[in-house]
Amino acid sequence: DAGVTQSPTHLIKTRGQQVTLRCSPKSGHDTVSWYQQALGQGPQFIFQYYEEEERQRGNFPDRFSGHQFPNYSSELNVNALLLGDSALYLCASSLEASQETQYFGPGTRLLVL
Amino acid sequence: AQKITQTQPGMFVQEKEAVTLDCTYDTSDQSYGLFWYKQPSSGEMIFLIYQGSYDEQNATEGRYSLNFQKARKSANLVISASQLGDSAMYFCAMIPYSSASKIIFGSGTRLSIRP
Repeated sequence: DAGVTQSPTHLIKTRGQQVTLRCSPKSGHDTVSWYQQALGQGPQFIFQYYEEEERQRGNFPDRFSGHQFPNYSSELNVNALLLGDSALYLCASSLEASQETQYFGPGTRLLVL
Repeated sequence: AQKITQTQPGMFVQEKEAVTLDCTYDTSDQSYGLFWYKQPSSGEMIFLIYQGSYDEQNATEGRYSLNFQKARKSANLVISASQLGDSAMYFCAMIPYSSASKIIFGSGTRLSIRP
């Protein structure tokens, strides 16, 4: 049974570019959450997707957007990249009915130059 | 405000000793969950232990136990008989059930086990 997978593992972009990160949830899970973890800090909640809609959002600007597909996989898009967007981006999947059990993927390390 | 505070940025412990990692939380929710995660250098968040706010018994999972003191709003992690493989970042986290999707993390404690 595959756990949560994310791609790519590492990414280097320049300021002003756009990036798309991908997440496949654990088999059977229907809910995907995204977190940003800056160096030396704890993860910060970006948003959560359920039934292909954004259900809750953290304190992130509109440059951060997402999508969930019918197979429950998800994408995180960041436009107009800033140096401060450099971070580890973590995806977590869960069952909508069991939010206390969120399984995390290995993350995507984004470096913005 | 919903907040998790971890006051120990780093700790060194001798192998086979027990270690306690501190965590305090702040929430106005009556119903919430508390977690501890381990994050090795690879980056993946590994779930260790969960405690619900209405659970009367402290949670235990193998060598991990959560010392839950509700009146003090603390949720310390105790690792018994530490091993070299326990060296990692440890995050305390909370899910307030009024906003059931969002996990709030502390700033973490880096634990280093000495042989």
